[in-house]
Amino acid sequence: AQSVSQHNHHVILSEAASLELGCNYSYGGTVNLFWYVQYPGQHLQLLLKYFSGDPLVKGIKGFEAEFIKSKFSFNLRKPSVQWSDTAEYFCAVDSGTYKYIFGTGTRLKVLA
Amino acid sequence: GAGVSQSPSNKVTEKGKDVELRCDPISGHTALYWYRQSLGQGLEFLIYFQGNSAPDKSGLPSDRFSAERTGGSVSTLTIQRTQQEDSAVYLCASSHPQGTAYSNQPQHFGDGTRLSIL
Repeated sequence: AQSVSQHNHHVILSEAASLELGCNYSYGGTVNLFWYVQYPGQHLQLLLKYFSGDPLVKGIKGFEAEFIKSKFSFNLRKPSVQWSDTAEYFCAVDSGTYKYIFGTGTRLKVLA
Repeated sequence: GAGVSQSPSNKVTEKGKDVELRCDPISGHTALYWYRQSLGQGLEFLIYFQGNSAPDKSGLPSDRFSAERTGGSVSTLTIQRTQQEDSAVYLCASSHPQGTAYSNQPQHFGDGTRLSIL
């Protein structure tokens, strides 16, 4: 069965630190990849998406993610986090069936 | 603009009761999805509606769960004879239809309904 793994369940960083959240998926075919963010008390929001083309995609708020097909990975990065980035981050994969497969999420806490 | 609207935002009920959760998708979005988010787990796909096509119910965990979408817009998710393991956040999402001129459309999520079964 298809699955998405987010290896970091909880991450604590100080402001200005660099961030990388891992996401690996298990599916050998063409995929669409997403990162969603859920700020405290808010709904899930799309952070960035990859459908095709340049494997390095840039999203909102300075986030970017790189699709590495050979590693089945789509890691999320930000060079310098802010306190306002405190949230839960979800990686999702769509293998073309519209049924997004979500990871279990990573809770990020940024210390001011 | 208006996003996906879900009601109620919170629901507490006793085991064995039936509950009905409502989702009002973004105007113009013909695709509608229900997911369940349980504590410590990712989002679990439940059901998908696309226009007038038969829904994909493959994610519904038991026959106590059902969903309808009337008029191609508002959807209700019904859980009969609720059990404690049904406690979760139920999320609704909508998008433009997949596999069309709007292909590869991301899903837009509502705030969810937090369901607690006592």
